[in-house]
Amino acid sequence: DAGVIQSPRHEVTEMGQEVTLRCKPISGHNSLFWYRQTMMRGLELLIYFNNNVPIDDSGMPEDRFSAKMPNASFSTLKIQPSEPRDSAVYFCASSTAWGAFFGQGTRLTVV
Amino acid sequence: QQPVQSPQAVILREGEDAVINCSSSKALYSVHWYRQKHGEAPVFLMILLKGGEQKGHEKISASFNEKKQQSSLYLTASQLSYSGTYFCGTANQAGTALIFGKGTTLSVSS
Repeated sequence: DAGVIQSPRHEVTEMGQEVTLRCKPISGHNSLFWYRQTMMRGLELLIYFNNNVPIDDSGMPEDRFSAKMPNASFSTLKIQPSEPRDSAVYFCASSTAWGAFFGQGTRLTVV
Repeated sequence: QQPVQSPQAVILREGEDAVINCSSSKALYSVHWYRQKHGEAPVFLMILLKGGEQKGHEKISASFNEKKQQSSLYLTASQLSYSGTYFCGTANQAGTALIFGKGTTLSVSS
């Protein structure tokens, strides 16, 4: 298996633009997480899906953030409109009961 | 609910040992340990489930004390490749999300 695949790896966008981050989990993994990592706040959980259903979205910062998982092999995290304070590395991870595995992340810069 | 890791940073010479601790204010179902190198994604090291087990991975092992709601990661005879930031992730119940501590930065020099 290729592991968790995220795209794009880097994204630079202007404030106010819509940003969509994509994730393909490991086949057979039934849980998917989106995390945001910054120096100040560390690894923050944004949202958690189990069997494609959002279970916990309490970490989503505000209504500008939304996430979907239309099927077991694809998830998106959308920010609209983006703001400079959204600049961070966004990780997607998928898991079974035996461990969670991270994608390589998307480095988002909002200017 | 965020677990607390200690120490925040460790500086070692090759061959020395280190212990990183992770504690929670709530009952734990599982503890996961990860290592992240600069500019890379966190890499899964091991998972410990409710049951007080100890696990090993090369010269890196971990213990889980359910009663004390804490886990420790043991790095023995450290190598340069052990440098990085170590995170513990905890789940309070089966089927809940992993919440990560702030990390412990380990620097190993020759």
